[in-house]
Amino acid sequence: EADIYQTPRYLVIGTGKKITLECSQTMGHDKMYWYQQDPGMELHLIHYSYGVNSTEKGDLSSESTVSRIRTEHFPLTLESARPSHTSQYLCASSEEGEKLFFGSGTQLSVL
Amino acid sequence: QKEVEQDPGPLSVPEGAIVSLNCTYSNSAFQYFMWYRQYSRKGPELLMYTYSSGNKEDGRFTAQVDKSSKYISLFIRDSQPSDSATYLCAMTGSSNTGKLIFGQGTTLQVKP
Repeated sequence: EADIYQTPRYLVIGTGKKITLECSQTMGHDKMYWYQQDPGMELHLIHYSYGVNSTEKGDLSSESTVSRIRTEHFPLTLESARPSHTSQYLCASSEEGEKLFFGSGTQLSVL
Repeated sequence: QKEVEQDPGPLSVPEGAIVSLNCTYSNSAFQYFMWYRQYSRKGPELLMYTYSSGNKEDGRFTAQVDKSSKYISLFIRDSQPSDSATYLCAMTGSSNTGKLIFGQGTTLQVKP
Protein backbone atom coordinates (compact mmCIF):
# COMPACT_ATOMS: atom_id res chain seq x y z
CA GLU A 1 0.00 0.00 0.00
CA ALA A 2 1.33 3.44 -0.97
CA ASP A 3 2.15 5.38 2.15
CA ILE A 4 4.65 7.56 3.99
CA TYR A 5 6.36 6.23 7.09
CA GLN A 6 8.16 7.99 9.90
CA THR A 7 10.24 6.37 12.61
CA PRO A 8 10.49 6.57 15.50
CA ARG A 9 7.03 7.85 16.50
CA TYR A 10 8.35 9.07 19.85
CA LEU A 11 11.93 9.81 20.90
CA VAL A 12 13.18 11.00 24.28
CA ILE A 13 16.87 11.74 24.30
CA GLY A 14 19.49 13.61 26.30
CA THR A 15 21.16 16.86 25.35
CA GLY A 16 24.14 16.54 23.04
CA LYS A 17 23.10 13.30 21.37
CA LYS A 18 23.07 12.87 17.62
CA ILE A 19 19.72 11.77 16.24
CA THR A 20 18.30 10.83 12.87
CA LEU A 21 14.60 10.91 12.12
CA GLU A 22 13.65 8.54 9.33
CA CYS A 23 11.11 9.18 6.58
CA SER A 24 10.26 6.86 3.71
CA GLN A 25 7.52 6.95 1.08
CA THR A 26 6.35 4.30 -1.33
CA MET A 27 4.40 6.60 -3.65
CA GLY A 28 7.30 7.43 -5.97
CA HIS A 29 6.99 11.16 -5.28
CA ASP A 30 9.91 13.37 -6.26
CA LYS A 31 9.01 16.14 -3.81
CA MET A 32 9.54 15.62 -0.08
CA TYR A 33 9.38 17.98 2.90
CA TRP A 34 10.04 18.32 6.61
CA TYR A 35 7.69 20.50 8.62
CA GLN A 36 8.01 21.34 12.32
CA GLN A 37 4.95 21.71 14.54
CA ASP A 38 4.81 22.90 18.14
CA PRO A 39 1.61 22.33 20.18
CA GLY A 40 -1.15 24.71 19.12
CA MET A 41 1.10 26.39 16.61
CA GLU A 42 1.43 26.52 12.84
CA LEU A 43 3.41 24.03 10.82
CA HIS A 44 6.63 25.56 9.52
CA LEU A 45 8.69 24.26 6.58
CA ILE A 46 12.28 23.51 7.61
CA HIS A 47 13.61 21.47 4.64
CA TYR A 48 12.48 20.34 1.22
CA SER A 49 13.74 18.31 -1.70
CA TYR A 50 12.55 18.16 -5.28
CA GLY A 51 14.55 15.07 -6.17
CA VAL A 52 17.63 12.97 -5.52
CA ASN A 53 20.67 15.01 -4.45
CA SER A 54 18.52 18.14 -4.18
CA THR A 55 17.86 19.69 -0.75
CA GLU A 56 16.97 23.22 0.33
CA LYS A 57 16.28 24.98 3.61
CA GLY A 58 12.76 26.13 4.32
CA ASP A 59 11.45 29.37 5.75
CA LEU A 60 12.05 28.41 9.38
CA SER A 61 15.68 28.32 10.37
CA SER A 62 16.69 24.92 11.68
CA GLU A 63 19.95 23.44 12.95
CA SER A 64 18.99 20.11 11.42
CA THR A 65 20.29 18.76 8.13
CA VAL A 66 18.76 16.47 5.54
CA SER A 67 19.90 14.22 2.73
CA ARG A 68 18.21 12.72 -0.33
CA ILE A 69 20.25 9.86 -1.73
CA ARG A 70 17.25 7.80 -2.78
CA THR A 71 13.88 8.98 -4.05
CA GLU A 72 11.96 7.19 -1.33
CA HIS A 73 14.11 8.20 1.65
CA PHE A 74 14.50 11.66 3.25
CA PRO A 75 16.14 11.46 6.71
CA LEU A 76 16.60 14.43 9.03
CA THR A 77 19.63 14.64 11.34
CA LEU A 78 20.42 16.70 14.42
CA GLU A 79 24.15 16.51 15.23
CA SER A 80 23.75 17.68 18.83
CA ALA A 81 20.23 17.73 20.24
CA ARG A 82 19.18 20.52 22.60
CA PRO A 83 15.98 21.12 24.59
CA SER A 84 15.04 23.86 22.09
CA HIS A 85 14.74 21.09 19.45
CA THR A 86 11.81 19.54 21.32
CA SER A 87 8.94 19.52 18.83
CA GLN A 88 6.92 17.37 16.45
CA TYR A 89 8.59 16.73 13.11
CA LEU A 90 6.33 15.90 10.18
CA CYS A 91 7.55 14.47 6.90
CA ALA A 92 5.49 14.87 3.74
CA SER A 93 5.68 14.06 0.06
CA SER A 94 3.79 15.22 -3.02
CA GLU A 95 3.44 14.76 -6.72
CA GLU A 96 1.63 18.06 -7.13
CA GLY A 97 3.22 20.70 -4.90
CA GLU A 98 0.11 21.79 -3.01
CA LYS A 99 -1.34 18.37 -2.22
CA LEU A 100 0.91 17.04 0.51
CA PHE A 101 0.74 13.57 2.03
CA PHE A 102 1.98 13.60 5.62
CA GLY A 103 3.42 10.89 7.79
CA SER A 104 2.26 10.45 11.39
CA GLY A 105 5.17 12.47 12.71
CA THR A 106 7.99 12.00 15.23
CA GLN A 107 7.50 13.60 18.63
CA LEU A 108 10.98 14.54 19.83
CA SER A 109 11.72 15.41 23.45
CA VAL A 110 15.24 16.52 24.37
CA LEU A 111 15.97 16.53 28.09
CA GLN B 1 1.79 39.89 12.14
CA LYS B 2 1.10 36.35 10.93
CA GLU B 3 0.40 35.85 7.24
CA VAL B 4 -2.49 33.51 8.07
CA GLU B 5 -4.79 33.94 11.05
CA GLN B 6 -7.01 31.14 12.34
CA ASP B 7 -9.04 31.05 15.53
CA PRO B 8 -7.66 28.12 17.55
CA GLY B 9 -10.97 27.45 19.30
CA PRO B 10 -11.73 24.99 20.75
CA LEU B 11 -15.10 24.77 19.05
CA SER B 12 -17.67 22.40 20.52
CA VAL B 13 -20.90 21.57 18.67
CA PRO B 14 -23.65 18.94 18.97
CA GLU B 15 -23.85 16.14 16.45
CA GLY B 16 -25.71 17.21 13.32
CA ALA B 17 -24.76 20.87 13.57
CA ILE B 18 -23.35 22.93 10.70
CA VAL B 19 -19.79 23.95 11.44
CA SER B 20 -18.05 27.00 10.00
CA LEU B 21 -14.27 27.27 10.17
CA ASN B 22 -12.44 30.34 8.89
CA CYS B 23 -9.05 31.79 8.07
CA THR B 24 -7.96 35.25 7.04
CA TYR B 25 -4.74 36.07 5.29
CA SER B 26 -2.74 39.11 4.34
CA ASN B 27 -0.73 38.07 1.27
CA SER B 28 -2.67 38.88 -1.90
CA ALA B 29 -0.34 36.59 -3.88
CA PHE B 30 -1.90 33.47 -2.37
CA GLN B 31 -3.80 31.52 -5.04
CA TYR B 32 -3.92 27.93 -3.77
CA PHE B 33 -5.98 27.21 -0.68
CA MET B 34 -6.24 23.99 1.27
CA TRP B 35 -7.87 22.55 4.33
CA TYR B 36 -6.14 19.75 6.19
CA ARG B 37 -7.65 17.63 8.97
CA GLN B 38 -5.39 16.39 11.75
CA TYR B 39 -6.50 13.76 14.24
CA SER B 40 -4.73 13.51 17.58
CA ARG B 41 -1.22 12.01 17.27
CA LYS B 42 -1.52 11.81 13.48
CA GLY B 43 -0.21 13.83 10.57
CA PRO B 44 -2.46 16.22 8.64
CA GLU B 45 -4.48 14.81 5.73
CA LEU B 46 -5.69 16.87 2.81
CA LEU B 47 -9.43 17.48 2.98
CA MET B 48 -10.15 20.19 0.41
CA TYR B 49 -8.14 21.97 -2.29
CA THR B 50 -9.23 25.13 -4.11
CA TYR B 51 -7.54 27.26 -6.69
CA SER B 52 -8.35 30.99 -6.69
CA SER B 53 -11.81 32.20 -5.66
CA GLY B 54 -15.05 30.27 -5.54
CA ASN B 55 -16.69 27.30 -3.89
CA LYS B 56 -15.90 23.61 -3.89
CA GLU B 57 -18.10 20.89 -2.47
CA ASP B 58 -17.20 17.33 -1.50
CA GLY B 59 -19.88 15.40 0.34
CA ARG B 60 -20.60 17.15 3.64
CA PHE B 61 -17.69 19.56 3.17
CA THR B 62 -17.75 22.89 1.32
CA ALA B 63 -14.74 25.15 0.90
CA GLN B 64 -15.16 28.82 0.02
CA VAL B 65 -12.53 31.32 -1.02
CA ASP B 66 -13.11 35.07 -1.18
CA LYS B 67 -9.89 36.60 -2.45
CA SER B 68 -11.30 40.14 -2.40
CA SER B 69 -11.73 39.84 1.38
CA LYS B 70 -8.72 37.55 1.87
CA TYR B 71 -10.98 35.11 3.68
CA ILE B 72 -11.50 31.37 3.35
CA SER B 73 -14.04 29.10 4.98
CA LEU B 74 -14.75 25.43 5.47
CA PHE B 75 -18.32 24.33 6.16
CA ILE B 76 -19.19 20.93 7.55
CA ARG B 77 -22.81 19.87 7.26
CA ASP B 78 -24.43 17.24 9.50
CA SER B 79 -21.32 17.09 11.67
CA GLN B 80 -20.40 13.72 13.16
CA PRO B 81 -18.33 12.75 16.23
CA SER B 82 -15.77 11.37 13.75
CA ASP B 83 -15.25 14.95 12.52
CA SER B 84 -13.66 15.82 15.88
CA ALA B 85 -10.15 16.88 14.95
CA THR B 86 -7.98 19.92 14.36
CA TYR B 87 -8.59 21.67 11.03
CA LEU B 88 -5.69 23.51 9.47
CA CYS B 89 -5.99 25.99 6.65
CA ALA B 90 -3.00 26.28 4.34
CA MET B 91 -2.19 28.39 1.33
CA THR B 92 0.51 29.34 -1.11
CA GLY B 93 1.10 31.63 -4.04
CA SER B 94 3.64 29.39 -5.69
CA SER B 95 2.48 26.59 -7.90
CA ASN B 96 3.92 23.12 -7.35
CA THR B 97 6.44 24.04 -4.66
CA GLY B 98 4.86 22.52 -1.56
CA LYS B 99 5.85 25.61 0.42
CA LEU B 100 2.62 26.03 2.31
CA ILE B 101 1.78 28.68 4.89
CA PHE B 102 -0.39 27.13 7.58
CA GLY B 103 -2.85 28.59 10.03
CA GLN B 104 -2.64 27.66 13.68
CA GLY B 105 -5.49 25.16 13.39
CA THR B 106 -8.98 25.09 14.93
CA THR B 107 -9.81 22.24 17.29
CA LEU B 108 -13.33 20.94 16.74
CA GLN B 109 -15.25 18.64 19.04
CA VAL B 110 -18.56 17.17 17.91
CA LYS B 111 -20.54 15.80 20.82
CA PRO B 112 -22.94 12.85 20.33
